[in-house]
Amino acid sequence: QLQLQESGPRLVKPSDALSLTCTVSGGSTRSSSYYWGWVRQPPGKGLEWIGNVDYSGTTYYTPSLKSRVIISLDTAREQFSLKLTSVTAADTAVYFCATPTGIGAYDVWGPGTMVTVSA
Amino acid sequence: DIQVTQSPSSLSASKGDRVTITCRTSQSIGTNLNWYQQIPGKAPELLIYGASHLQSGVPSRFSGSGSGSNFTLTVSSLEPEDFATYYCQQSYGNYWTFGQGTNVETK
Repeated sequence: QLQLQESGPRLVKPSDALSLTCTVSGGSTRSSSYYWGWVRQPPGKGLEWIGNVDYSGTTYYTPSLKSRVIISLDTAREQFSLKLTSVTAADTAVYFCATPTGIGAYDVWGPGTMVTVSA
Repeated sequence: DIQVTQSPSSLSASKGDRVTITCRTSQSIGTNLNWYQQIPGKAPELLIYGASHLQSGVPSRFSGSGSGSNFTLTVSSLEPEDFATYYCQQSYGNYWTFGQGTNVETK
């Protein structure tokens, strides 16, 4: 059974980069059927799609974050990562990794990790 | 990019009520529309994919319909565990978007 788990620093300083990793178990990041994605949720607000990476490493980002975000895939470690540069307090959120296992919808999610941007 | 407008933003209902939530997209997306339920403090869970397909393990009181740019999620008879926030999401092409969410609360 495919499972995802986010990890990374919980506190990031303004103007620094936020870096998170999602570890995949029970499945392979090499599968051509899967995308690997990131979604975030500011406190008390709705879900925001950040982007996806496919099995070949091709990435797709939401336009509002495109200039600051990088999603990458590490098939050797069965992980994929999120890097968001030049963060501000507005980037404070719960960050979820998720994957659509071939049905075009995120059917597997990590539990989420809260990241706070503060000095 | 495709905009997604979800309504209402909140609603009050009682156990046993029939509830309907709608989602409208800024362009036609076929049936590339998904619905999620989120309990506070938890990750979202997929309810409906492809506009009308019930995800495995989801109770049959949940149903989805629509195509093009107008979609609906219906809960035929609310159970206590259904009081939650619901989100639609379009997955047309490579750039996805969530709706703003609908909070279903107890009347």
